[in-house]
Amino acid sequence: EVQLVESGGGLVQPGGSLRLSCAASGFTFSTYWMTWVRQAPGKGLEWVANIKQDGSDKYYVDSVKGRFTISKDNAKNSLFLQMDTLRAEDTAVYYCARKCYTNGCLDYWGQGTLVTVSS
Amino acid sequence: DIVMTQSPDSLAVSLGERATINCKSSQSVFYSSSNKNYLAWYQQKPGQPPKLLIYWASTRESGVPDRFSGSGSGTDFTLTISTLQAEDVAVYFCQQYYTPPWTFGQGTKVELK
Repeated sequence: EVQLVESGGGLVQPGGSLRLSCAASGFTFSTYWMTWVRQAPGKGLEWVANIKQDGSDKYYVDSVKGRFTISKDNAKNSLFLQMDTLRAEDTAVYYCARKCYTNGCLDYWGQGTLVTVSS
Repeated sequence: DIVMTQSPDSLAVSLGERATINCKSSQSVFYSSSNKNYLAWYQQKPGQPPKLLIYWASTRESGVPDRFSGSGSGTDFTLTISTLQAEDVAVYFCQQYYTPPWTFGQGTKVELK
């Protein structure tokens, strides 16, 4: 059974940093692109970042470029999102998701971890 | 960026009736070389993550009931729930994966009438 479990969320002050983790199991992690998607409270979904199977390619939404870094450790079946210079508008539930093998849909999602940026 | 616009924002449907949700993209998400539309639909229930329903605009994900169907091409797409069940009350999102940044529609809330 595919499982994605996020951790690392919490309350952080504006300008601060946080590192999110996603533990994957039930599939061959090293063969999939992985994604972070966020959802502000009561709002819609926003794709944040993608990373290729071996970590060699990464893509980000413009609003987080230069502040967030996506990475993965295939040996530990883990996905990460390093978030620096956080802003109030980064407040959201952050979901880890697996990209469909042959296209850009997202076929498995974690339960999400809440990041709150506030003083 | 491709803007995805869903309509309506919400709709109330009686049990057993049809629900229709529309999604319009600001540019075509049809890739002629693959003859596919790069569009997916998701269902999100309160307190849960989204669940993939449809990809390639009309291919149902494994395990998704056949009362859910997707149609459309180019810039105009539709998700249809043929006979609404109580468990279908949720918010539905469309997503384009034609080009980054991948973008989602604002969501359509389906409620019981």
